[in-house]
This record gives sequence, C-alpha cells and structure tokens, in this order.
Amino acid sequence: QSVLTQPPSVSAAPGQKVTISCSGSSSNIGKNDVAWYQHLPGTAPQRLIYDNNKRPSGIPARFSASRSGTSATLGITGLQTGDEADYYCGTWDSRLNAYFFGTGTQVTVL
Amino acid sequence: DVQVVESGGGLVQPGGSLRLSCTASGFTFTSSYMTWVRQAPGKGLQWVGSVNEQGSEKFYVASVKGRFTISRDNAQNSVYLQMDRLRVEDTAVYYCASDPGWGQGTLVTVSS
Repeated sequence: QSVLTQPPSVSAAPGQKVTISCSGSSSNIGKNDVAWYQHLPGTAPQRLIYDNNKRPSGIPARFSASRSGTSATLGITGLQTGDEADYYCGTWDSRLNAYFFGTGTQVTVL
Repeated sequence: DVQVVESGGGLVQPGGSLRLSCTASGFTFTSSYMTWVRQAPGKGLQWVGSVNEQGSEKFYVASVKGRFTISRDNAQNSVYLQMDRLRVEDTAVYYCASDPGWGQGTLVTVSS
C-alpha cells in the first residue's frame, strides 16, 4: 500500500554499521524532503532525521541520512542493542496529495 | 520537556463514532503542524491526516476522507480527531505527532 519501499530487515553486530534504503518515485522522494523515524514497539515513535539529512537536537551523530534521485538512505554506525527497533522513511507524495511512510525496516543487533 | 498525550481510544462497534484528543506542551503549539498517524496490528505506520498551524488547512489519507475530521484548539494546545462511520479496518493505535515529538498512542478497536 505504501509508495515507499524499504527492506523488511537488516542486521549487524554491535559496533558495526547498517544502512536502510527507501525507494520511491519522482512524485515523492524525487520532489519532497525525506524524514526518518525510529519506533520501538509500545513506545512513541521518534523523528531521527528531517529535511533529508538534518538531525534534531539530541539525536546522536551515529545516525545519518542522504537522498539521491528517487531514493533515500539511513545509516547507523556504532550499532548498539538500544538501536533495535523499526525504522521508517517518510515523505509527501505530490501526485497523491498524501504523506507516506515507508514499509518499515526492522533492525536487529546480532 | 516536550509532552504529547493522546486520549479517547476504546472499543466501538462498526458504524460508530469516537473522538480522540491530543494535548501538547513544551513547545510552541501555535507554530506546529499537527498530525495523526496510526498503526494497525502487525502493520507499519500510516499517516491519517494533518492540520496546519491555524487550523485552516487539513489533509487526509484517502481511506478516511469524509469520515474523519481533524480540528485544533490553539488556546488549549490541543488537536482532535473525530472519527465517524468507523470500520473494522480502522482498528489501530493512533498517535498524535508533531515535529518535536509524538505521543505514546491510544488504541482504537472497532469490533462487534
């Protein structure tokens, strides 16, 4: 149902790096800014990134993101057990006139 | 500290109505877009709708247009989601979201 596609899961050992892709189209990622959210089940989701690559105050520099064409990527370095969560990209779709979250990616720390 | 608190969830029969409330503090509410997001059991996040700072512009996902209405009261730092003609597929945890922070969510169950 979402117009933004993410891998269902990624994993890595503590201290390693993971990247999460978010694939869209010219009417969403290709035209509008992307945000990234972290969601631990049962808790309030948290915005990690806004405007493609900006971190709100309090978000560690271990979280970084970029956008290129119709895709976006979130990177997490120095992976910690506390990073185990679901991660979502999000952006406005100008053709559908609606905001979409990506399909979500579960991060597992091995 | 930013605080966003939802209330009003519960069990309702198909075709019924429910009104969710969200009260925010710790940031300039009158300068913030407010958004409702939901998560159905076992599913991902879904945007429900948003309202601009003045309450003059509202946007909705196609599946709730004509059934749900977002409103806000800036004097009370509150935003509301009036849900009418509820369907089983509206069952979800509903989150109130702002740029500075999100609430913990309130569960809406639509079932006979």
